[in-house]
Amino acid sequence: KAGVTQTPRYLIKTRGQQVTLSCSPISGHRSVSWYQQTPGQGLQFLFEYFSETQRNKGNFPGRFSGRQFSNSRSEMNVSTLELGDSALYLCASTFSGQSYGYTFGSGTRLTVV
Amino acid sequence: GQQVMQIPQYQHVQEGEDFTTYCNSSTTLSNIQWYKQRPGGHPVFLIQLVKSGEVKKQKRLTFQFGEAKKNSSLHITATQTTDVGTYFCAGPYNQGGKLIFGQGTELSVKP
Repeated sequence: KAGVTQTPRYLIKTRGQQVTLSCSPISGHRSVSWYQQTPGQGLQFLFEYFSETQRNKGNFPGRFSGRQFSNSRSEMNVSTLELGDSALYLCASTFSGQSYGYTFGSGTRLTVV
Repeated sequence: GQQVMQIPQYQHVQEGEDFTTYCNSSTTLSNIQWYKQRPGGHPVFLIQLVKSGEVKKQKRLTFQFGEAKKNSSLHITATQTTDVGTYFCAGPYNQGGKLIFGQGTELSVKP
């Protein structure tokens, strides 16, 4: 079966711009989580969506937002980009929650210049 | 808030040596999961432990869940160069879908 698909794979943006990242989960998976990965901070939880509702949110500023569509596909948006937002953004899907192993996508490498 | 601490941060071993990484949670966990991320790759799910004192094996990898369900370990016997990568433990934050990851242990193996 197809894995978790994230687009785009690479992105270069300028400070102040906004960006939208996309994630298509494994078919049948209803929970989609987003993580930010940086060398110094590891995997930081951004938010989790389940059945189009944000069920959990991490400690990130309001510039980071997301949504989930009826087909479980998810998007995350970062507005007013800062240099510190440069990171690998990973999406993970699972059937319904953290009682099941997560399947990660290959990530989107965002560079803010 | 809940934290998942993992040690060591780095481990360099000679091929054939054993390797162990430890994970500790500030709270009791309903389950603990382990992931491996190869250099340049993304985390890949290895295993989930649910029961107190549970031990599971995958070939040369042995995973343990502590009796109090607050700590876990991953032991690799006779490391190989294919074991290179970062190993993460992760535990659920609440009944929802928030999974908290440890900082990871980066394993390098010298042939």
